Amino acid sequence: GDSVIQMQGQVTLSENDFLFINCTYSTTGYPTLFWYVQYSGEGPQLLLQVTTANNKGSSRGFEATYDKGTTSFHLQKTSVQEIDSAVYYCAMRDRTGNYKYVFGAGTRLKVIA
Amino acid sequence: GPKVLQIPSHQIIDMGQMVTLNCDPVSNHLYFYWYKQILGQQMEFLVNFYNGKVMEKSKLFKDQFSVERPDGSYFTLKIQPTALEDSAVYFCASSLIAWGVPAETLYFGSGTRLTVL
Repeated sequence: GDSVIQMQGQVTLSENDFLFINCTYSTTGYPTLFWYVQYSGEGPQLLLQVTTANNKGSSRGFEATYDKGTTSFHLQKTSVQEIDSAVYYCAMRDRTGNYKYVFGAGTRLKVIA
Repeated sequence: GPKVLQIPSHQIIDMGQMVTLNCDPVSNHLYFYWYKQILGQQMEFLVNFYNGKVMEKSKLFKDQFSVERPDGSYFTLKIQPTALEDSAVYFCASSLIAWGVPAETLYFGSGTRLTVL
């Protein structure tokens, strides 16, 4: 079945460090890929999405490239700040009739000032 | 931005009782979802709902679960009777409808933490 894998449960960085959160997906369909961010005490909110393979999405300094070859959608940011501390969920949704989202397990980012 | 409101934020009940979780979706959204997140685990799809009907449900959506949106008010998730394993945070989400299909962006509420004793 469809799945989204985030291998990193938690990432701890210092301010201005480079962020890399791993995400790979598995599906037989043609998905749109997403990153959602969940701040403490809130629900997840959309960070960025990419519909077309080989395209890059970006928002608030975060970026991710839809790599169909490696079935990956890793999240990166050049210089993280303490306010970026949150849980980041990679997700996908098929565009060909099945509208159900599949979320990864989430990666908790802790940024130390 | 658009807000989904969930009421209450925390509910504690005894096993076997009925509980209703309320969701006030974004005002012009027509497609609704419930997700379940056990502490420390990933968010899992329960059900989606459109035009008065369940469109799709997962294996987690047991017979004791039901959803409705009477008269365009709250979108509710009812569990009757509750079990210990129902303890989790339940997230409601909503989306627009575009050309007859749910839009891709989901808007989530802050969740209701349900504790079943």
